[in-house]
Amino acid sequence: GAVVSQHPSWVICKSGTSVKIECRSLDFQATTMFWYRQFPKQSLMLMATSNEGSKATHEQGVEKDKFLINHASLTLSTLTVTSAHPEDSSFYICSASRGGSNEQFFGPGTRLTVL
Amino acid sequence: TQLLEQSPQFLSIQEGENLTVYCNSSSVFSSLQWYRQEPGEGPVLLVTVVTGGEVKKLKRLTFQFGDARKDSSLHITAAQPGDTGLYLCAGESQAGTALIFGKGTTLSVSS
Repeated sequence: GAVVSQHPSWVICKSGTSVKIECRSLDFQATTMFWYRQFPKQSLMLMATSNEGSKATHEQGVEKDKFLINHASLTLSTLTVTSAHPEDSSFYICSASRGGSNEQFFGPGTRLTVL
Repeated sequence: TQLLEQSPQFLSIQEGENLTVYCNSSSVFSSLQWYRQEPGEGPVLLVTVVTGGEVKKLKRLTFQFGDARKDSSLHITAAQPGDTGLYLCAGESQAGTALIFGKGTTLSVSS
């Protein structure tokens, strides 16, 4: 149990376009979902925390209007990178935790390349 | 701000050697987790340590949580090429919010 999926696995887009990444908890209800960003051979950097039905909390330095997060249901959160630029190219990973536990289950990640 | 200092950042060893990765902080964590991540994939949880002084073993991997719950170590005995990957420690703050990740240790084991 506790499987988290992400879609797409990888995406290539043109500069200026928007990209949506989905994070789904497949066999549990995720009260909280987290979005991380990871550059090659570096650690995970928390971008934002989202609770179902409420606004996401973005970390300092992460523009909330550029990285839009929606957590409309207990099994789905989406991250939209708006007006993407090459510097947004990265590996984006989500994780989810269920009510009553702080344990996080990670998705497989989404590789975004902005040309 | 709670920080986790992880060392070494890179480690390249021969098959059969032993190694230790350290994770240190000046802050107390309610728990600490170790993950292994392969390129292009999400982190996979190896172990969670909760009690100060706790030692957990997972085959050739030994994890220890410091008595004061501020530091942890991962020791690998007789490393194998299959151990190659990025090892991450992550602490759960006592506030119980997001995980705080160390910078990671990239391990390369050659045969």
